[in-house]
Amino acid sequence: EVHLVESGGGLVKPGGSLRLSCAASGFTFSTYAMNWVRQAPGKGLEWVSSISRSSSFIYYADSVKGRFTISRDDAKNSLYLQMNSLRAEDTAVYYCARDNVDTAMLKDYWGQGTLVTVSS
Amino acid sequence: DIQMTQSPSSVSASVGDRVTITCRASQGISSWLAWYQQKPGKAPKLLIYTTSSLQSGVPSRFSGSGSGIDFTLTISSLQPEDVASYYCQQTNSFPLTFGGGTKVEIK
Repeated sequence: EVHLVESGGGLVKPGGSLRLSCAASGFTFSTYAMNWVRQAPGKGLEWVSSISRSSSFIYYADSVKGRFTISRDDAKNSLYLQMNSLRAEDTAVYYCARDNVDTAMLKDYWGQGTLVTVSS
Repeated sequence: DIQMTQSPSSVSASVGDRVTITCRASQGISSWLAWYQQKPGKAPKLLIYTTSSLQSGVPSRFSGSGSGIDFTLTISSLQPEDVASYYCQQTNSFPLTFGGGTKVEIK
């Protein structure tokens, strides 16, 4: 069974940094593209970043480009999101999501999310 | 960027009613559209992909249709467990974009 478990969220001051992790199990992690998607309190879903197999291709939303860095460690079955220069508008639940192996950009499994709160 | 516009933003219907949610893309995306269901306090769950293909385990009362710019999610007979927010997402190109969501409630 596919499991995605996010960690690393918490309260951080504006301008601060945080590193999110996503531990994957139940599938061959290295063969799937992975993603971060966020949801601000009471709002809709917003795609943040995607990383392909072997980290060959990486994409970011304009709202986080230059501040966030996505990475993966296939040996540890883990996905990461390094978040720097955090702003109040980055406050959200951050979900780790797996891309479907047959249909690119389709998120077929999601973790339960980790809450990031940016506030002084 | 491709903008995804969903309507209505909320709908209240009775158990057994047919519910229709629409999603419009700002440019053609062929059939590259997915629908997700998000129950309160839970992670999103994939319902439908490539416009009309039902994800494994999803009840057959859910269906999707459309192509190009206009798409529809239909719940043929609303059940209490369908109370949730529904989001469309284009899987055509980066940046990936979602619709604003539709909240479905029981009247």
